Amino acid sequence: KNQVEQSPQSLIILEGKNCTLQCNYTVSPFSNLRWYKQDTGRGPVSLTIMTFSENTKSNGRYTATLDADTKQSSLHITASQLSDSASYICVVTGWNNDMRFGAGTRLTVKP
Amino acid sequence: DSGVTQTPKHLITATGQRVTLRCSPRSGDLSVYWYQQSLDQGLQFLIQYYNGEERAKGNILERFSAQQFPDLHSELNLSSLELGDSALYFCASSFRGGPRSLYNEQFFGPGTRLTVL
Repeated sequence: KNQVEQSPQSLIILEGKNCTLQCNYTVSPFSNLRWYKQDTGRGPVSLTIMTFSENTKSNGRYTATLDADTKQSSLHITASQLSDSASYICVVTGWNNDMRFGAGTRLTVKP
Repeated sequence: DSGVTQTPKHLITATGQRVTLRCSPRSGDLSVYWYQQSLDQGLQFLIQYYNGEERAKGNILERFSAQQFPDLHSELNLSSLELGDSALYFCASSFRGGPRSLYNEQFFGPGTRLTVL
């Protein structure tokens, strides 16, 4: 079983709407959690990084939250744009630098 | 543009062959990471080098090996290639690389697409 589970697997929303992506993990002990955006065929781009002591981090229209007690994180996208269409990947790193990747959520923003 | 370069962009080869993928990290970054991304398995961490030394190992097969040179560029060698090795191979770099570097943000290159026929 993957130690990082993301939901939903895919999501279609209309331009201008908000959405929330989920990441549940079992990695322990936990060092940091990152959200990446990956356009098709390109390398991932970092959106946010949070350590276990942080519970929210924003990057423009992207806001990540973290609940280390329940081992859950979410990525909220506000006022979506067509360019937000991409895969969003949650990565959890343990204390030994062991990185675990979620399978990603494929977001499609339609006009 | 992340500042990480990878060559070649595309590589087509046959089963049983050996290939070398090359990565140049961002200027000043000491750590290099290699990842494999296939359609059915998502992104997987292979191996990390920090200032020339292996720092962490992920799901890297014995047929694969990597090294980081004194000028900090890195090469990933894939041998006895199988059809299942067809994937995108990404390199990423970061300034720090130690196990206690809590904020080791990684910058990814554009990837090398390997096709094994």
